[in-house]
Amino acid sequence: SQTIHQWPATLVQPVGSPLSLECTVEGTSNPNLYWYRQAAGRGLQLLFYSVGIGQISSEVPQNLSASRPQDRQFILSSKKLLLSDSGFYLCAWSVTPASTDTQYFGPGTRLTVL
Amino acid sequence: AQSVTQLDSHVSVSEGTPVLLRCNYSSSYSPSLFWYVQHPNKGLQLLLKYTSAATLVKGINGFEAEFKKSETSFHLTKPSAHMSDAAEYFCVVSDLRGSQGNLIFGKGTKLSVKP
Repeated sequence: SQTIHQWPATLVQPVGSPLSLECTVEGTSNPNLYWYRQAAGRGLQLLFYSVGIGQISSEVPQNLSASRPQDRQFILSSKKLLLSDSGFYLCAWSVTPASTDTQYFGPGTRLTVL
Repeated sequence: AQSVTQLDSHVSVSEGTPVLLRCNYSSSYSPSLFWYVQHPNKGLQLLLKYTSAATLVKGINGFEAEFKKSETSFHLTKPSAHMSDAAEYFCVVSDLRGSQGNLIFGKGTKLSVKP
């Protein structure tokens, strides 16, 4: 069966420090991968999605970037964190990029920027 | 453009009583609709999914939702609430821009279950 991992589970970082969050998927090949951010009191906002290695689409201009160095690995990064980057970051995968396809979510990373 | 509105930010029920979480959507196309549940500090788990088949969709943990095109609604129900149902619930509509699987999430409804 497929599983999705995210780490770290929680992270506290000072403003201006770099960030690297990792997401890996097991049990499937060539998944579509997504990064979402969930801020307090708001729904989920799609940040990035990827349909293949090295293929990244950005939904919202921001202080963050994403990379997909391997088929089942998706990394969210920042060179300098802002206070507004605090939130709950969720990685998800789907079999196809179709809008009807179910997305399966990882356990999330709680990021606090101080 | 597609959008989704969850009509209640917080719903409180007693254990053993029915649950109703309301969701209205807006879409120019026949949408795909989902309900996800999120327990505190956890990822999202799919409860159920509608993709233009039967309008009454049964999900996990005794939940079901009915797609009503005339009312543009996709309300989530459960006949009898359990303490373990306390969580946040998200109604989601598929974003049909291009061919990418972008989802549009509602702001969530927090369900509290009293003993």
